[in-house]
Amino acid sequence: AQSVAQPEDQVNVAEGNPLTVKCTYSVSGNPYLFWYVQYPNRGLQFLLKYITGDNLVKGSYGFEAEFNKSQTSFHLKKPSALVSDSALYFCAVRDRGGYNKLIFGAGTRLAVHP
Amino acid sequence: GAGVSQSPSNKVTEKGKDVELRCDPISGHTALYWYRQSLGQGLEFLIYFQGNSAPDKSGLPSDRFSAERTGGSVSTLTIQRTQQEDSAVYLCASSLGLAETQYFGPGTRLLVL
Repeated sequence: AQSVAQPEDQVNVAEGNPLTVKCTYSVSGNPYLFWYVQYPNRGLQFLLKYITGDNLVKGSYGFEAEFNKSQTSFHLKKPSALVSDSALYFCAVRDRGGYNKLIFGAGTRLAVHP
Repeated sequence: GAGVSQSPSNKVTEKGKDVELRCDPISGHTALYWYRQSLGQGLEFLIYFQGNSAPDKSGLPSDRFSAERTGGSVSTLTIQRTQQEDSAVYLCASSLGLAETQYFGPGTRLLVL
C-alpha cells in the first residue's frame, strides 16, 4: 500500500533562517509527489509537484523540494523563512492504483518566529 | 480565473439530519474529488469523478454517504442521518484530468451536534 510519512508534527524556525519540512514516501513504481499548504480556515493551496525530470523542484512563494529516490524522500525547503510562511504543510503522493486520488501525510505545522 | 468554490462554508446540524454539501469545480476541469479533513483521521479521500466514467467510491466511509455530479460540473455530497463523527471539514478539488494537479476549494466545515 502506498503511504506518506511526515515525521515532525511541528517545525520551529526563526525568520530569515532556512527551513526544511520532511516527507518520506512508500510507493510501488515511480511516485508523483506533491506539497500543499493550508492557512487557518482555508483550503489547501498547491505549492509544487514532482513528476519526472530534475530532482530539485521549484514552486510557489520561494519553496522548493528535493526528490531523493534512494532515501524515498521529498523534503520541502526554503532558503529564508518568513513569518507569513507559518501554516500547515501536507505532503502527498498520487495513488497509481487506478484513479487519481491523493494520499496525504499527517501534516507538519510550521511556526516561523520573528 | 475563479477557483473551486464550495457552499455552505459552515454547516451546523443535529444528529440524525441529512446534509448536502455543494462543490463548483474550476471551469473546464473534468475531474472532481471529495476529501474529508478531521482531527483524528487527517486528510482522507472520499470519492472521485472523471468525465462520464463510473466514480471511484472506495473512500466513502459508510452507505450514509453519497455523491453525484450533474452535467459533468457541479457536485453534491450528501450525508444522511448524520452522526457526531461526521463532523469534519469537507474539501472538494478539481483537476484538468488524470495526472493533473488538484486544486482545492475552501472547504465546508460541518458540525454535528
